[in-house]
Amino acid sequence: QQQVKQSPQSLIVQKGGISIINCAYENTAFDYFPWYQQFPGKGPALLIAIRPDVSEKKEGRFTISFNKSAKQFSLHIMDSQPGDSATYFCAASSYDGSTLGRLYFGRGTQLTVWP
Amino acid sequence: DGGITQSPKYLFRKEGQNVTLSCEQNLNHDAMYWYRQDPGQGLRLIYYSQIVNDFQKGDIAEGYSVSREKKESFPLTVTSAQKNPTAFYLCASSGGTSGRYEQFFGPGTRLTVL
Repeated sequence: QQQVKQSPQSLIVQKGGISIINCAYENTAFDYFPWYQQFPGKGPALLIAIRPDVSEKKEGRFTISFNKSAKQFSLHIMDSQPGDSATYFCAASSYDGSTLGRLYFGRGTQLTVWP
Repeated sequence: DGGITQSPKYLFRKEGQNVTLSCEQNLNHDAMYWYRQDPGQGLRLIYYSQIVNDFQKGDIAEGYSVSREKKESFPLTVTSAQKNPTAFYLCASSGGTSGRYEQFFGPGTRLTVL
């Protein structure tokens, strides 16, 4: 059972456009929602993360929008650049009473930004 | 530099052979993880460990084994029981001053079964 559902699977955007990737979850215990960026042949790297006490977080051209009631969150990439072409993963985690906060990942979105 | 190293970068295995993938971290993180990545499947958790000498199965542990004898090291063995082992394997760690949740990933090992 997929704990976090991500869409679309692939996305093509023109340079300068806005890229939007959406994720949805069911487990209301989730309290941490990161986005990871992965380039081909490399490991994923944390891009930006949000907790449910805020509805939006912005870091440079990257913004997470969070809708707690709808159990959805999305990544917006403003002024998309060819260098943003990568695979993006959303994830979610909750504190389970131990030192470990396991991440549940979406299946990823392959973003291509055309020059 | 602090980080996670995985070796080898590429690994070829004949059917029926066991192979061990190395993962080392110098971030002083308590928790370590192994993921398998296949195209269109995202990252699937194989095993994870919170402390030395303790580890738990993830979602797809069958055909894999791990050990955690040192805090810095979490090797993964892909056994002959794993029916479709060709994949990209990622090791990650979390904890310490970076916080419980943020996971740092290594560069990955691409395993190909011939």
